[in-house]
Amino acid sequence: GENVEQHPSTLSVQEGDSAVIKCTYSDSASNYFPWYKQELGKGPQLIIDIRSNVGEKKDQRIAVTLNKTAKHFSLHITETQPEDSAVYFCAAILNSGGYQKVTFGTGTKLQVIP
Amino acid sequence: GAVVSQHPSRVICKSGTSVKIECRSLDFQATTMFWYRQFPKQSLMLMATSNEGSKATYEQGVEKDKFLINHASLTLSTLTVTSAHPEDSSFYICSARSSLAGGDSYNEQFFGPGTRLTVL
Repeated sequence: GENVEQHPSTLSVQEGDSAVIKCTYSDSASNYFPWYKQELGKGPQLIIDIRSNVGEKKDQRIAVTLNKTAKHFSLHITETQPEDSAVYFCAAILNSGGYQKVTFGTGTKLQVIP
Repeated sequence: GAVVSQHPSRVICKSGTSVKIECRSLDFQATTMFWYRQFPKQSLMLMATSNEGSKATYEQGVEKDKFLINHASLTLSTLTVTSAHPEDSSFYICSARSSLAGGDSYNEQFFGPGTRLTVL
């Protein structure tokens, strides 16, 4: 089955600096890679995603890159703000017909220091 | 955007009682809903996949008689924790997948806000 590793587990950055979180996956059949932000006591919220036929995607201060050959993808947050502080999860999803299997990474607790 | 609600948000119950958690897709139809369990400071662990009108598919190690799942309509799935014990205390999160095949959101799972279960 799929195995997703996520690093680092915790990350502290100064406000305004960039933050990078990396994930690797094992199943080359996975074809969709979302990133979620989870605040304390709440459900995960999708912040950005990328499909396997795309190498990079950007949405304002957030970007995701995917290297299919190496089977890793990364989340980049620029100009970090205190409200970016949360736990971030990557996921690798296998979509095949009507079937979907999702495997989450272990999470990264991001702290943005004002 | 697509909204998924869960009810209740928090529940405290006595050991041995059963608790039902509802998951609703508010503005879209979901043929598939997923139930996750999350322990403090840990990742989400998939418990089961719920398909409308059919039996749920449980992940290895999840007792189907302990965690009853019913997906009776395209907008509602329920998880019932039967004979709850303190070790069942956790954060339970559902997600729903749009039934619009080929649409932009087809791949995406929309998550509910979670339900905090505490069993005394």
